[in-house]
Order: sequence, then structure tokens, then C-alpha cells
Amino acid sequence: AQSVSQHNHHVILSEAASLELGCNYSYGGTVNLFWYVQYPGQHLQLLLKYFSGDPLVKGIKGFEAEFIKSKFSFNLRKPSVQWSDTAEYFCAVNGQGSSASKIIFGSGTRLSIRP
Amino acid sequence: EAQVTQNPRYLITVTGKKLTVTCSQNMNHEYMSWYRQDPGLGLRQIYYSMNVEVTDKGDVPEGYKVSRKEKRNFPLILESPSPNQTSLYFCASSPPSGADTQYFGPGTRLTVL
Repeated sequence: AQSVSQHNHHVILSEAASLELGCNYSYGGTVNLFWYVQYPGQHLQLLLKYFSGDPLVKGIKGFEAEFIKSKFSFNLRKPSVQWSDTAEYFCAVNGQGSSASKIIFGSGTRLSIRP
Repeated sequence: EAQVTQNPRYLITVTGKKLTVTCSQNMNHEYMSWYRQDPGLGLRQIYYSMNVEVTDKGDVPEGYKVSRKEKRNFPLILESPSPNQTSLYFCASSPPSGADTQYFGPGTRLTVL
């Protein structure tokens, strides 16, 4: 079955700490991978995406993610978090070609940053 | 400004009273989709549409209907709402078949009593 797992439900860090949020997926075939962020009271917006090529992708606000095909993972990282990174983070996957239209989201990771 | 709009933003209703949540985008996107967001479950796709008059079920379509008569609009219809449809609903649009970035609306918080 197609699924996305985000094992960290709630992460609490202090400012300047490094961040890594896990994302593992189960999806047959070639995939596209996304990280979306939802700031408090706001709608989801794209942080970064991977379609093909360099497995290390850089997004907005200093975030990056690495696609490791052998581990079916797409973990999100940031070397030094800020209080403004407090938000909920969602990993998502869809297939390429005919299966591109069905998109699976993970359950989300709530990130709280202590000032 | 490029955006996806949803109306209403908040709605409290009673069981069985038909309702429609509207979604409109001004980016000429072919692909549109509806999601519901529930605590601990993330976003789950309800229905999606790859173009006008083309719609298909997502993972949780039961109790919902959609239509896509115009490219810009993709309303979500609850014919007979039930309390288990209390949720936060998001509409999204994307240029090709959903393979690219999705642009989300601000959300509609629905409570069914």
C-alpha cells in the first residue's frame, strides 16, 4: 500500500539547534517527493521538492532534504533553526506519469522552537 | 495575485443539511484537489480533478461529491454531512497532473453537530 511515515510527531528544539525530520515512503515506481510547511494559522506552502537529479535538494529558508532511494527516505534538515521555524511539516509523495495525480501526505511533524 | 480561495472559511452546521464549500483559483491550473486535515492523520486526499469534467476519487471520497464545470472552480459538496466529517478542509491546485507544486487555499474549518 502507498504510504508516507513521519515518525516524529512533535519535536522541540532550542534556537540554533540542528534539525532533522524523518520521512519514509512506500510507493511503487518512480516518485516525486515534497516537503510542505504550515505556519500557525496559515495554509500549506512548499518548502522543497525532488523530481530527479541531485538527491540533495535545497529549499527556502535554509532547509534541505536528501533523497536516499535505497532507504525510501527523504529527510528534511536545517543546520540552525530559528523561532520562526515553529510550524507543522508535511512530507508528501506522488508517482510520475499516470500515477502523478494521486498524492499521499504523511501525518505531519509539529516543530516547536524555544526562543 | 496568484491564489486559491475558499469559502466559507468557517462553517458550523447540523447533521444532514447539505452544504457546499467553494474553491477557486486564478492561475489557470489544470489540476485541483480537495484534502481534509485531521489531527494525527495529516492530509488525506478526498477528490481530485485533472481538468474540466475530469474528476476522480482520492483516498477518502465517501460522503463527498465534487464537480469541475469550469477550470477555475472546484466545489466540494456534502450532500448529508455527518459529525465524522468535522475537519479542516483544504483545496489545492497545480499546473500539470499534480506532479508539480501544489498551491493551497487558506482552509475551511467545518463543524457538523
